[in-house]
Amino acid sequence: SQTIHQWPATLVQPVGSPLSLECTVEGTSNPNLYWYRQAAGRGLQLLFYSVGIGQISSEVPQNLSASRPQDRQFILSSKKLLLSDSGFYLCAWSSTGDTFGSGTRLTVV
Amino acid sequence: SQQGEEDPQALSIQEGENATMNCSYKTSINNLQWYRQNSGRGLVHLILIRSNEREKHSGRLRVTLDTSKKSSSLLITASRAADTASYFCATVSGGSNYKLTFGKGTLLTVNP
Repeated sequence: SQTIHQWPATLVQPVGSPLSLECTVEGTSNPNLYWYRQAAGRGLQLLFYSVGIGQISSEVPQNLSASRPQDRQFILSSKKLLLSDSGFYLCAWSSTGDTFGSGTRLTVV
Repeated sequence: SQQGEEDPQALSIQEGENATMNCSYKTSINNLQWYRQNSGRGLVHLILIRSNEREKHSGRLRVTLDTSKKSSSLLITASRAADTASYFCATVSGGSNYKLTFGKGTLLTVNP
């Protein structure tokens, strides 16, 4: 069966520090992968999606970047975090319905 | 930009009652999906309804889709306290790259 792993669950980082969130998928090959952000009390906003290794599409201009070094690995990064980067980040892969990871709550202080 | 808009933003009911949440969207869609999110957790896919379908059922869930009105509804019958969560609709529109556009969600509270 297909599973998706996302870590860490929570993260507190100082402003200006780097960020690396990792997401891995098991049980499927060549999945479409997605990073979403959810601000408090809001819906999800699509940040990046990837249809294959090294292929990244950005949906909104921002302080973040994404990479897909392996078929089943999707990484969300930042060189210098801003306060506005705080939020709940979710990784997902798609089939007939998206399957989401458990999320990372990032607090930038 | 957000395509779906859920209504109401918050809903509080008693156990055993039915809960109805609505979603409106703006552009043509391929399908519409409903998700549930427990507080601080990831999303769980509930049901997908395609643009050529009008109604789907899954257990206590009933989803309707009216493409002429660009709206959908999610009905949860005989609600339970465990149904307390935020519910989101999401749409997929056009193209071969599969992207979901989410609404802001409805917070459902089922009181025991």
